[in-house]
Amino acid sequence: DQQVKQNSPSLSVQEGRISILNCDYTNSMFDYFLWYKKYPAEGPTFLISISSIKDKNEDGRFTVFLNKSAKHLSLHIVPSQPGDSAVYFCAATWYSGGGADGLTFGKGTHLIIQP
Amino acid sequence: ETGVTQTPRHLVMGMTNKKSLKCEQHLGHNAMYWYKQSAKKPLELMFVYSLEERVENNSVPSRFSPECPNSSHLFLHLHTLQPEDSALYLCASSQGRSVLNEQFFGPGTRLTVL
Repeated sequence: DQQVKQNSPSLSVQEGRISILNCDYTNSMFDYFLWYKKYPAEGPTFLISISSIKDKNEDGRFTVFLNKSAKHLSLHIVPSQPGDSAVYFCAATWYSGGGADGLTFGKGTHLIIQP
Repeated sequence: ETGVTQTPRHLVMGMTNKKSLKCEQHLGHNAMYWYKQSAKKPLELMFVYSLEERVENNSVPSRFSPECPNSSHLFLHLHTLQPEDSALYLCASSQGRSVLNEQFFGPGTRLTVL
């Protein structure tokens, strides 16, 4: 059973608007969450992370929100730019013991920014 | 070369072949990883090496055999694979295994088993 779920395989957003990518998790042990971005023919690159002691982390145009009670996190990109078109992976682990080995990934959401 | 490189980028092999995937990191990291990404499935961790010792093996079939001769190089030796092993194989490295240490990924090897 998937512990990290990204239920939208793809998302299309107009340039300049906000992109919202969603991720749900089932394992209550998870306390650290990461977003990775992947372009075709390249490996994933780390984008932003959040610890369970926070409910929001912001880095430039990217903001991750965490709702622990709903076991839900989301990545907001505003404003969306053509270069943001990529596949976005959500990943989760438990910092207290899992280490980087314990990263559990979602299937990814393909974000398409339309001009 | 910078970052994490992987060769070959594409590989087609028969079920009776033996081949190897190579990963090299130029970042001075001390932990290296092999991941598998099958179509429509999440990224799955296969092996972890820390300071050249294998520290994780996630129930991977023995037809996949990793090797880490030094901290900069990681190999995945393949033999008698099955068509369902066709996938994108990604290598990553990090400085230490804590989640706070970012993993840097290579571009992957697209493997097709006929």
